Amino acid sequence: QSALTQPASVSGSPGQSVTISCTGSSSDVGTYNYVSWYQQHPGKAPQLLIFDVNKRPSGVSSRFSGSKSGNTASLTISGLQAEDEADYYCCSYGGSSSLPFGGGTKLTVL
Amino acid sequence: EAQLVESGGGLVQPGGSLRLSCAASGFTFSSYWMHWVRQVPGKGLVWVSRINSDGTIRNNADSVKGRFTISRDNAKNTVYLQMSSLGVDDTAVYYCAASLHIAVAYDWGQGTLVTVSS
Repeated sequence: QSALTQPASVSGSPGQSVTISCTGSSSDVGTYNYVSWYQQHPGKAPQLLIFDVNKRPSGVSSRFSGSKSGNTASLTISGLQAEDEADYYCCSYGGSSSLPFGGGTKLTVL
Repeated sequence: EAQLVESGGGLVQPGGSLRLSCAASGFTFSSYWMHWVRQVPGKGLVWVSRINSDGTIRNNADSVKGRFTISRDNAKNTVYLQMSSLGVDDTAVYYCAASLHIAVAYDWGQGTLVTVSS
């Protein structure tokens, strides 16, 4: 059950777009369209942003979008805002005993 | 609005046991998958265990197999995580999460801290 691979950090200026990658394998991201993304502010519980690769729960801004190609999924945040500064985690279904998360990416809004 | 409240965390010695509870409200608990996810302070999220809506399917991460058992009581709207043979590596904040989806944690509790130390 290897964790998914994310960049440790990304940054962008307000109004810009940033993309966070999430690389898995043919056992998880590459096989299942069950990739989700979570946002976590310091001291808070995670919040679901994206599920099933590119679906947004109600109430989540359309500035957040997801995609997948092969074994790599991506989260794009457009029109960066100061409140987007947080940690972001990807997750993928990987079978009956596996639901690996990525190591997390810290987004800094410059 | 869904609400999940974890309890049962605390300090336990290595080799000891602990049972976490997660009380749910604001949604039809008996229709939801329930997950436990843990996070070492300052580190990333790690999935631990999940159980389906009627308790007939239970999955555990390899790291806790044989030591942790997830269960639920739909009459009490509560999910449990029985943890035994605890080691220092089990020290973490434990979150419960609810979802209609096997592979998504839609709503989260605020977490309960488990500290394994002598």
